[in-house]
Amino acid sequence: DSGVTQTPKHLITATGQRVTLRCSPRSGDLSVYWYQQSLDQGLQFLIQYYNGEERAKGNILERFSAQQFPDLHSELNLSSLELGDSALYFCASSVEGGKANEQFFGPGTRLTVL
Amino acid sequence: SQQGEEDPQALSIQEGENATMNCSYKTSINNLQWYRQNSGRGLVHLILIRSNEREKHSGRLRVTLDTSKKSSSLLITASRAADTASYFCATDGPGGFKTIFGAGTRLFVKA
Repeated sequence: DSGVTQTPKHLITATGQRVTLRCSPRSGDLSVYWYQQSLDQGLQFLIQYYNGEERAKGNILERFSAQQFPDLHSELNLSSLELGDSALYFCASSVEGGKANEQFFGPGTRLTVL
Repeated sequence: SQQGEEDPQALSIQEGENATMNCSYKTSINNLQWYRQNSGRGLVHLILIRSNEREKHSGRLRVTLDTSKKSSSLLITASRAADTASYFCATDGPGGFKTIFGAGTRLFVKA
């Protein structure tokens, strides 16, 4: 158990819908990262937050947005969902928000868009 | 395109044998990390090697880094069936932020 929690575990929804994925980092970690893992794209970095502020952005679509709240939990919002958005979404946390360092991954949310 | 590319894509060995996986990357890095992922589960950090280090050990794991060739290798000695998993290398992106993962090597260790 990494100490990072993600909810829900599974999510099944239809195209065009909007969903919110939630992540709670390890106690004491200030940085949260979001990743998308699909079969044909591997693990793609989406976005990183550090202590409530956006720190780095990766291949995140405009339909997706994220935020980190004062209690350091984070949410990833996916809207106008398409079939291709079906994937495993991972959240990870680390102590620091600076240069890349050891990250602790949550169990992931499996999103299926029908 | 991804920063890190693992080779081979898949590797099948017998228990007790050594497994070697390679990672190549494109731009200069501050550090390189290796992670392991059991099927459908979260990644687990194995080891981090900094750009000024050439070799690092952790238990049965040995990681090397050759910054002149922009490559790293992960060696698992005396493999066990429980080592069956996907292994990813990850590098920091331009400026040191972001973490860019390769496509991974799937390791199968047969008992």
